Amino acid sequence: NAGVTQTPKFQVLKTGQSMTLQCAQDMNHNSMYWYRQDPGMGLRLIYYSASEGTTDKGEVPNGYNVSRLNKREFSLRLESAAPSQTSVYFCATTQGRVQETQYFGPGTRLLVL
Amino acid sequence: QQQVKQSPQSLIVQKGGISIINCAYENTAFDYFPWYQQFPGKGPALLIAIRPDVSEKKEGRFTISFNKSAKQFSLHIMDSQPGDSATYFCAASMGGATNKLIFGTGTLLAVQP
Repeated sequence: NAGVTQTPKFQVLKTGQSMTLQCAQDMNHNSMYWYRQDPGMGLRLIYYSASEGTTDKGEVPNGYNVSRLNKREFSLRLESAAPSQTSVYFCATTQGRVQETQYFGPGTRLLVL
Repeated sequence: QQQVKQSPQSLIVQKGGISIINCAYENTAFDYFPWYQQFPGKGPALLIAIRPDVSEKKEGRFTISFNKSAKQFSLHIMDSQPGDSATYFCAASMGGATNKLIFGTGTLLAVQP
């Protein structure tokens, strides 16, 4: 089992370009999350999906959109990338029960020039 | 804004020593406090977690101490080893089906041989 996979591993964009970060899980989990990690700021929740067909904003949703394509896949889209979106992006999943471990993917490192 | 404050930002410990990382929170509705460990180039992984109905939880060399009245909790790593060198994040959650986590800013631990 691969667990949580993310593609691409690394991406360089120019300001204004768009891209989609992909996340897939084979853990049969219901809930999925997108975080960004910046030095000195920890991990901040961008969007989450409690179950297939639902999505909600997290702490820092501006400039992002998400799609819960099916139970396995949760994508994060940057419509017009900005240098402030340079970060490492992590996807995570849980079964959806209370107080449950979140399982993280390996991350996507994004550089916006 | 719900916050979890973490200190120190970085920590250097000699092999065999005790590493201590502290976190403080404001929202008394938080009811689940996990610690995540992250190695360079990897996603965070759950290390240990505690609920506020206990004051201490120990798993091997790792112990969480929880002070509900002070709204503080800490991670103690006994007999620290070079392999413990990583970034540690505390987090807090109000539970519920969303399992949203509020992360601290992280502590970079270096254990010197």
